Amino acid sequence: ILNVEQSPQSLHVQEGDSTNFTCSFPSSNFYALHWYRWETAKSPEALFVMTLNGDEKKKGRISATLNTKEGYSYLYIKGSQPEDSATYLCAFWHRPKTSYDKVIFGPGTSLSVIP
Amino acid sequence: NAGVTQTPKFRVLKTGQSMTLLCAQDMNHEYMYWYRQDPGMGLRLIHYSVGEGTTAKGEVPDGYNVSRLKKQNFLLGLESAAPSQTSVYFCASSYTESGGNIQYFGAGTRLSVL
Repeated sequence: ILNVEQSPQSLHVQEGDSTNFTCSFPSSNFYALHWYRWETAKSPEALFVMTLNGDEKKKGRISATLNTKEGYSYLYIKGSQPEDSATYLCAFWHRPKTSYDKVIFGPGTSLSVIP
Repeated sequence: NAGVTQTPKFRVLKTGQSMTLLCAQDMNHEYMYWYRQDPGMGLRLIHYSVGEGTTAKGEVPDGYNVSRLKKQNFLLGLESAAPSQTSVYFCASSYTESGGNIQYFGAGTRLSVL
């Protein structure tokens, strides 16, 4: 059974603090790793698609790195703002040798930014 | 452009009742997915469809059926609802199943089974 873990489960930071959280996934049959941002009462929205070991992606104050050999990805938020408050999901795509690509979502990290 | 639309938004069922959740997308996507989201467990794939007329089982398919008669619509059915099916259901679509293609999600349907 493939398992995707995210840590911490929840996080409370002060406005202006920088923060980061982790997505851990199996290192075999890796195909892609997605990060989604999920605000309360809204739908998940994609932040990054990462496919290559060593990938670094950036969108404004948010960035992500990928290590497929050891099976983890970090999401960083620089200078957190209250509007960054959301749950951040990672989705691990793997490519089994004998079936279709499969996606497994992590349980998410809930971020609260205190003004 | 509506994207992915789910109906209904909320529903309360009694054990044993049946219902159908509708997902509609206007992006001409080939792939569509149904997930359930339970506290602490992330999104779990119930069924998915690789194109009109084709469906496949996901991680937690038991107790659900699906149909994709038209490319833009993906229906999730509960034939005999059980309290364990109380959850929030999300539909998503993507161009392909490829890991390089992001999924677009609907707003969710909150279902309670009493």
